[in-house]
Amino acid sequence: SQQGEEDPQALSIQEGENATMNCSYKTSINNLQWYRQNSGRGLVHLILIRSNEREKHSGRLRVTLDTSKKSSSLLITASRAADTASYFCATMNTGFQKLVFGTGTRLLVSP
Amino acid sequence: DTEVTQTPKHLVMGMTNKKSLKCEQHMGHRAMYWYKQKAKKPPELMFVYSYEKLSINESVPSRFSPECPNSSLLNLHLHALQPEDSALYLCASSQGRGQGLREQYFGPGTRLTVT
Repeated sequence: SQQGEEDPQALSIQEGENATMNCSYKTSINNLQWYRQNSGRGLVHLILIRSNEREKHSGRLRVTLDTSKKSSSLLITASRAADTASYFCATMNTGFQKLVFGTGTRLLVSP
Repeated sequence: DTEVTQTPKHLVMGMTNKKSLKCEQHMGHRAMYWYKQKAKKPPELMFVYSYEKLSINESVPSRFSPECPNSSLLNLHLHALQPEDSALYLCASSQGRGQGLREQYFGPGTRLTVT
């Protein structure tokens, strides 16, 4: 079952610009994670934010979480062509049962 | 070693064939997962093994049969598949304790085509 909706579905920007992706989810969560997937390959974990955290940073990544609105955002600053990929949010429910992925955002960064 | 390996990378099989997908990790992780991903869609969970025991089966058809021979290996046995089963099959692993609080490490996937 699909938990999250992401927007935009696709985003096209120039190198050096910032990219913002949004994720909304439906049920209570323990944590929310962001993953990157290069074309047709495995996913790479980017960052995990717990339900009691509001903001987290990792390098050029900034993630926010608003549990009252059941939403999260991922900001990639100073984007590079190598950031071109699909980005998925994924929620872990409070029972720690399983990770459920959102619909994904396809990011294209042009040189 | 933070790698999850999957073999084969590509597999083409007929609807009457029997084949197996293999997944291996040497990170000491005690939770392992199978996901199915269709083109331009998110991964969908199929099975979860925790400490070599099947803990979640997401109502997957019996033509998919998972097996966890030991803590490093995960297999997915395929039999009498349908063309709609064509997809990218992803294996992942995570630390067993507090697995819900941990990231998952994914393999590169097996691209399966059923003819």
